[in-house]
Amino acid sequence: KAGVTQTPRYLIKTRGQQVTLSCSPISGHRSVSWYQQTPGQGLQFLFEYFSETQRNKGNFPGRFSGRQFSNSRSEMNVSTLELGDSALYLCASSSGAPGYGYTFGSGTRLTVV
Amino acid sequence: EDQVTQSPEALRLQEGESSSLNCSYTVSGLRGLFWYRQDPGKGPEFLFTLYSAGEEKEKERLKATLTKKESFLHITAPKPEDSATYLCAVQAGKKSGGSYIPTFGRGTSLIVHP
Repeated sequence: KAGVTQTPRYLIKTRGQQVTLSCSPISGHRSVSWYQQTPGQGLQFLFEYFSETQRNKGNFPGRFSGRQFSNSRSEMNVSTLELGDSALYLCASSSGAPGYGYTFGSGTRLTVV
Repeated sequence: EDQVTQSPEALRLQEGESSSLNCSYTVSGLRGLFWYRQDPGKGPEFLFTLYSAGEEKEKERLKATLTKKESFLHITAPKPEDSATYLCAVQAGKKSGGSYIPTFGRGTSLIVHP
């Protein structure tokens, strides 16, 4: 059974640029959630998509956006990158039902210079 | 607001020295409490889900327990390969936008020395 695939694994971008990260969830999972992880803040929820609709959004500025395609694959985009956006971005796949845990991808390590 | 607090922040053990990690929570209507293990540079790996007070789950040297206000992750006779950050997350009963977004704790960083 294939796991959650995130690409790319590493990215180095310059401040002011934009970036797109990709996530392929486990087959059959319709929910994809995105998290930002930093040493200082821990895991912070960005947004959740379920069947191509954004179901929930965390407290991040509008520079952070996402979408989900009909095959459940998801992308997140960060525009006008800031140094503080350097983090590990994690995608989590689930059935979307309560009481079920996530399966996380290995993450994309974004460094903004 | 749902709150999850993990303690200690960091724990160093000698191989074979058993100990426990704590996750205390404040939520309205617990749907599930989750434990994850995270190795450096990788995504968290799911370990257990606990649903109600009194429930226990085991996996190799790990045992998770749940009360109405906290959960413990007991590590019996740990080995160096158990070194990782252990994360706790709670999923509350309130619905937001039709989904149940879990709240994560900051984690406990465990190092087991040979």
